Amino acid sequence: AQRVTQPEKLLSVFKGAPVELKCNYSYSGSPELFWYVQYSRQRLQLLLRHISRESIKGFTADLNKGETSFHLKKPFAQEEDSAMYYCALLIYNQGGKLIFGQGTELSVKP
Amino acid sequence: DTAVSQTPKYLVTQMGNDKSIKCEQNLGHDTMYWYKQDSKKFLKIMFSYNNKELIINETVPNRFSPKSPDKAHLNLHINSLELGDSAVYFCASSQGYRGYEQYFGPGTRLTVT
Repeated sequence: AQRVTQPEKLLSVFKGAPVELKCNYSYSGSPELFWYVQYSRQRLQLLLRHISRESIKGFTADLNKGETSFHLKKPFAQEEDSAMYYCALLIYNQGGKLIFGQGTELSVKP
Repeated sequence: DTAVSQTPKYLVTQMGNDKSIKCEQNLGHDTMYWYKQDSKKFLKIMFSYNNKELIINETVPNRFSPKSPDKAHLNLHINSLELGDSAVYFCASSQGYRGYEQYFGPGTRLTVT
């Protein structure tokens, strides 16, 4: 079955603390994974994708095929990082369908 | 502004009514999508169109009918609205549909009373 799991519904950290948002996937093919972010009162937007292997706003995510994970990490959280984060899996042979995880709300306290 | 736009932003209606949500993108993309976000903020694909051709049609009640008059527009028509249809509906677009970034609209909050 194709599935994305984000086990934490809410993650609360203090400013300057490291943050890790967990994402696990289930997919028999070669995975293409994304992190999307939705700031308060803003539209959903792409944060990063695994094939780019880039760091956006200090966030990185590494695909671990052995653990079927794509965790999002940032060494020092900022208050402006507070948002809803979605991990998503692209299914190529089903018209490019994106399967989203349940989302994790990140709250960074001052 | 180049973007994905949706109208209306808010829609409050009674059970049994028929309503439409419109989506337009001026990014020149050839693929458009509809997603539903429920009260628990879970996002699920409903439909996608590529060059006006239906590509994805998830298990959605047939009261929901997408219509794509051209590549820049994808409208969602809902017949006989039910309480469970209350949600935020997001439109998105991309250039191609295999591995390309999807750009989302601001969402339409539908409330069925």
